[in-house]
Amino acid sequence: EPEVTQTPSHQVTQMGQEVILRCVPISNHLYFYWYRQILGQKVEFLVSFYNNEISEKSEIFDDQFSVERPDGSNFTLKIRSTKLEDSAMYFCASSEAGGRAYEQYFGPGTRLTVT
Amino acid sequence: LAKTTQPISMDSYEGQEVNITCSHNNIATNDYITWYQQFPSQGPRFIIQGYKTKVTNEVASLFIPADRKSSTLSLPRVSLSDTAVYYCLVFLMDSNYQLIWGAGTKLIIKP
Repeated sequence: EPEVTQTPSHQVTQMGQEVILRCVPISNHLYFYWYRQILGQKVEFLVSFYNNEISEKSEIFDDQFSVERPDGSNFTLKIRSTKLEDSAMYFCASSEAGGRAYEQYFGPGTRLTVT
Repeated sequence: LAKTTQPISMDSYEGQEVNITCSHNNIATNDYITWYQQFPSQGPRFIIQGYKTKVTNEVASLFIPADRKSSTLSLPRVSLSDTAVYYCLVFLMDSNYQLIWGAGTKLIIKP
């Protein structure tokens, strides 16, 4: 069964550093998403991406965040200057199409620890 | 703002049928109800989705009454491996992408 993959599984960084989290969505999927989950809290939507541009973003997704599809397979989330409160699990997801009827497939997540 | 309400936790035993009910009083007319499962330190996994009446797949059934203000996820004959958090989700109003995540229901299956 095809799956979403994410690297690294765990990233430790110092406050103020830039991090790039990588995702490989399912190959025939066209819509991509990033979510985060702070330890013990609920999953939060960050951004959705389609046709090489952001289709929606939440209030969390401020100027510190950016997303990119640098090639035909990878989808990345960049945090420019990390803060302690950015420590969380970051999940990438993809779906075959956009819209409410389409299942989103989630990756295993990257645990980001900011010290 | 459409949102969902579900029990914080539930316990059951192996081999039993488990029903988790979710209320979504303000669901939009074009919205689907979607259920995900999440194990600790893993990404959420889609279980089932429905719009109305009953939907069944290989792992669960979803019952949605005519008024669509609630839905019930039914897990037949649960096992220890079904211990997880179960989320009932709807989409943010006027959004096609933003799923609204609550705290979910922590289901613990006992031997």
